[in-house]
Amino acid sequence: EVYILESGGVLVQPGGSLRLSCAASGFTFGNYAMSWVRQAPGKGLEWVSAISGGGSTTYYADSVKGRFTISRDNSNNTVFLQMDNLRAADTAVYHCARDGGIVLMERASFEFWGPGTPVTVSS
Amino acid sequence: QSALTQPASVTGSPGQSITLSCTASTEHVFTYNLISWYRHHPGKVPKLLIYDVTKRPSGLSDRFSGSKSGNAAFLTISGLQADDEAVYYCSSYTRSTLVFGGGTTLTVL
Repeated sequence: EVYILESGGVLVQPGGSLRLSCAASGFTFGNYAMSWVRQAPGKGLEWVSAISGGGSTTYYADSVKGRFTISRDNSNNTVFLQMDNLRAADTAVYHCARDGGIVLMERASFEFWGPGTPVTVSS
Repeated sequence: QSALTQPASVTGSPGQSITLSCTASTEHVFTYNLISWYRHHPGKVPKLLIYDVTKRPSGLSDRFSGSKSGNAAFLTISGLQADDEAVYYCSSYTRSTLVFGGGTTLTVL
């Protein structure tokens, strides 16, 4: 059974930094791209970033490019999202999701999701 | 302004068939035909219904079907059930990024 669990969400001040983690199990981790998708309060889903199965290719939404960095540790089945220069608009629940392929452009669909970790950016 | 536009809300009756739309702002948004649909109940994680425009994940009911015509993609739900009441999102891969539509709230009365 596929299992995904995020952690690291907290209250942080504007301009601050935060690192989210996503632990996965139940599948061959390095064979799949992983994404972060967020949902701000009262808003819809927004794709944030993705990383290929091997970790060599990364993708970012324009809204976070230059501020967020995605990475992965395939030996520990974990994906990370380093978030710097945080803004109030980054307040959301952040979900980690498994893609259907090894790179984002292979399938670009998410069958398995974690429950999410809440991030609040406020002074 | 999302590159994918969905109606804010639709209403259907139990047993009815209903089609939800997802319109791309420009043709290139659908270039790769990597269009997916999700159902999202509040407080739960989104559920993948359709990928690659028309394909269903293994084990998913055939009540859900996807299609595309020009700049628009569609999700058809047949035999509406109370549990289908949820927010539905389309998504598409384009130019090294992925975009979601704003979501359509389906009410089953």
